[in-house]
Parts: sequence; C-alpha cells; structure tokens
Amino acid sequence: EAGVAQSPRYKIIEKRQSVAFWCNPISGHATLYWYQQILGQGPKLLIQFQNNGVVDDSQLPKDRFSAERLKGVDSTLKIQPAKLEDSAVYLCASSPRTQLNTEAFFGQGTRLTVV
Amino acid sequence: GENVEQHPSTLSVQEGDSAVIKCTYSDSASNYFPWYKQELGKGPQLIIDIRSNVGEKKDQRIAVTLNKTAKHFSLHITETQPEDSAVYFCAAIPNSGYALNFGKGTSLLVTP
Repeated sequence: EAGVAQSPRYKIIEKRQSVAFWCNPISGHATLYWYQQILGQGPKLLIQFQNNGVVDDSQLPKDRFSAERLKGVDSTLKIQPAKLEDSAVYLCASSPRTQLNTEAFFGQGTRLTVV
Repeated sequence: GENVEQHPSTLSVQEGDSAVIKCTYSDSASNYFPWYKQELGKGPQLIIDIRSNVGEKKDQRIAVTLNKTAKHFSLHITETQPEDSAVYFCAAIPNSGYALNFGKGTSLLVTP
C-alpha cells in the first residue's frame, strides 16, 4: 500500500514570497489533515478535510494560509505572504476515519525555511 | 479544547533498560490515545494506541497504560535498543472534533 505522498521535500523562500505544498493521501482515505511542526514541538493541526469539505480550520491563519482539496483526493496548502515564523515542517496525514480505524498515516513532510 | 502534556522532554537510557513516557490530557471525553514515533527527517509513525474502554495494551516490547480517572496515559518500552532512539509523541482525540492533539514530544536516546 502506497503511503501519503508530499512534495516538495524541502523549500527555501524569502519572507513575503508565496509557497505551495502538495499532498496525495492514501487511496480511499476520506480524511486529510495538514499539520505544522515547528522544530522541537509536536505537530499542530492547521486544517482537517472530510472528503472535499472542511471539518476544522480554526487554527489556520486565514490571512495568509489557504488550503483546498478538490475532488476529495489531493490537497494543496498555500502560504502567501510567508513570514519568518512560518519556518517549520508541514505534515500531511490521512485517515480512513471509520469507527474501527482512526489511525492517521503521515507523509514525510515538507521542510520550509523562510529567510 | 484538548490540552496534552508530555514528560519528560528528553530521556536517556542504556541499552536493555526500560523507558517510560507519561502524558496527561484535559478533556475527559477523549477516547483515543495513540503514540507516534518520529525518526529524523521522517513523518510520525503510529507504534501503539489505546481506546478509553481498555486499561492496558501490549505489543511485544511496547505497552501503553491508561488511567481515565486521573486522565493520564503512559508508554512503556522494555529491553530498549539503539534503534528505539527517536522522538515519541503522545496524542489524544478530543470529543468535540476528530483531529489528534499532540504532546510536545520526548526525545529518547538509547546508548549502547
């Protein structure tokens, strides 16, 4: 079974530039998450999708971050404009979210450095 | 919302010894408690989980215990090996939503 795919693996941008990350979840997983992991901390949820609808985006900085999951499969996360404090690893995860299986499977992440 | 506290932040043990990592949670309605292992440059990977209707679960050298009354759960690794060295995260699912709330992580170092 293929895992969660993310690209790019690394990205370096200057502050005020824009950047986009892509995620392809495990086939058949209805739920997709984007997490932000700052160095030395646990992952923090940015947004959760169920199919192509948003379940929770309460912690997404909507003035600069946006995310979409068209057709309920792939997802993109965008930051515009980036700030220095956005430097982090951005993790995508997916889950079947059935009653018996709530395990979340993570991708390798995209390491963003804002200079 | 759910608040997950994790201790210690770093833990160093000798190969063969046991390691214990503890977490507390705030939302008494939380019902799912996974533990993830994250190696350098990789995403977190589930190693064991427990649901609120169970007090203990074991998988070879790894075990998790849950005390719902005290709202804390622990990860126990016995006979540690150097390849157990990684960052471990506990998490909980709050009743009000579906996404995992993670602790801040424990960096475990197993020295030969």
